[in-house]
Amino acid sequence: SQQGEEDPQALSIQEGENATMNCSYKTSINNLQWYRQNSGRGLVHLILIRSNEREKHSGRLRVTLDTSKKSSSLLITASRAADTASYFCATDGAQKLVFGQGTRLTINP
Amino acid sequence: GAGVSQSPSNKVTEKGKDVELRCDPISGHTALYWYRQSLGQGLEFLIYFQGNSAPDKSGLPSDRFSAERTGGSVSTLTIQRTQQEDSAVYLCASSLDRQGGTFFGQGTRLTVV
Repeated sequence: SQQGEEDPQALSIQEGENATMNCSYKTSINNLQWYRQNSGRGLVHLILIRSNEREKHSGRLRVTLDTSKKSSSLLITASRAADTASYFCATDGAQKLVFGQGTRLTINP
Repeated sequence: GAGVSQSPSNKVTEKGKDVELRCDPISGHTALYWYRQSLGQGLEFLIYFQGNSAPDKSGLPSDRFSAERTGGSVSTLTIQRTQQEDSAVYLCASSLDRQGGTFFGQGTRLTVV
């Protein structure tokens, strides 16, 4: 099935360090989206990258997309305690968005 | 509205009762999705509406689950004869088209006791 899979499942770093999360998927896509979720409630849309884009920036976020490897990465620079959350990638190659299990990011003060 | 709105925020129901969960998508968004998320898990797709097309119901886990979308806007997810395994957060999302982002509501936390 077409599924985004995040790696690692959990990541713990010190405040101020950079955090990198990866996402792999199986079939061709139109776009890929990254989301943040706090406390198991609504997902906050972070960034969308289209299949013809290779890199996109938004504030302290940098997303890359390698369609040849069917993978994407999310980099959070200069992490803050408030970045502690679960991060999900979602692919949209057909109709519905397909999510991975997420990466649980913990920023230690 | 400015964002996707879901109600209620929390719902506690007794096993065997029916529940209705409501979703108001972003105005003008033609696509609407329902997902559910059990504690500590990823998102499980339930159903997808796109304009006037027949909905994609492939994710509904049993015939106790149904959803409708009236007038291409508000959607209601109905769970009949609730079971304890139905306890989860039910998330609704909407998008304008395939090229734009998909935006989520805050979810309804359903607890079946």
